[in-house]
Amino acid sequence: GNSVTQMEGPVTLSEEAFLTINCTYTATGYPSLFWYVQYPGEGLQLLLKATKADDKGSNKGFEATYRKETTSFHLEKGSVQVSDSAVYFCALTPYFGNEKLTFGTGTRLTIIP
Amino acid sequence: DTAVSQTPKYLVTQMGNDKSIKCEQNLGHDTMYWYKQDSKKFLKIMFSYNNKELIINETVPNRFSPKSPDKAHLNLHINSLELGDSAVYFCASSRRTSGGYEQFFGPGTRLTVL
Repeated sequence: GNSVTQMEGPVTLSEEAFLTINCTYTATGYPSLFWYVQYPGEGLQLLLKATKADDKGSNKGFEATYRKETTSFHLEKGSVQVSDSAVYFCALTPYFGNEKLTFGTGTRLTIIP
Repeated sequence: DTAVSQTPKYLVTQMGNDKSIKCEQNLGHDTMYWYKQDSKKFLKIMFSYNNKELIINETVPNRFSPKSPDKAHLNLHINSLELGDSAVYFCASSRRTSGGYEQFFGPGTRLTVL
């Protein structure tokens, strides 16, 4: 079946530090890949997505590139802010069939001033 | 203006009770979902409906029964609540197509079973 593996958290960084959250996946065919973010006390919001190999998703300074050869979709940001503190979820939907999102376990990110 | 709304936001109840959570979307989407988030933040799909038809039914106890009166609404009824049902339940919606389309999530309903 499909699965997503994320780096274990929590992750604590200082403001303006470089961020990488690793994500790898197992799926048949060409899944679509997503990063969702959950701010404290809120629901999930789509941060970025990529639907085919070598696509780069980007939003709010975050980027992730769909790497089929390494089955990865790592999230990066060059300079984090306190407001980026949240839980980040990597997820996929299969290419064919239903659209259910398979999520990773989530990575809690805390940015300290 | 809210795209996906859920009621109630908080639900505290006793073991053995029956409760419902309601979800509505005003995005014109034809697919809706229920997800469960446990205390460790792990998210797992429970059900999905497309145009009022059940298309995903994961391994969920039959005490949980989704109902979709129309494609803008997907309610979740839970019978005989158990302690382990305590979680945050998220409703989501999307357009029905393969791959790539964003799922929009509601704010969640925090269910606490005492």
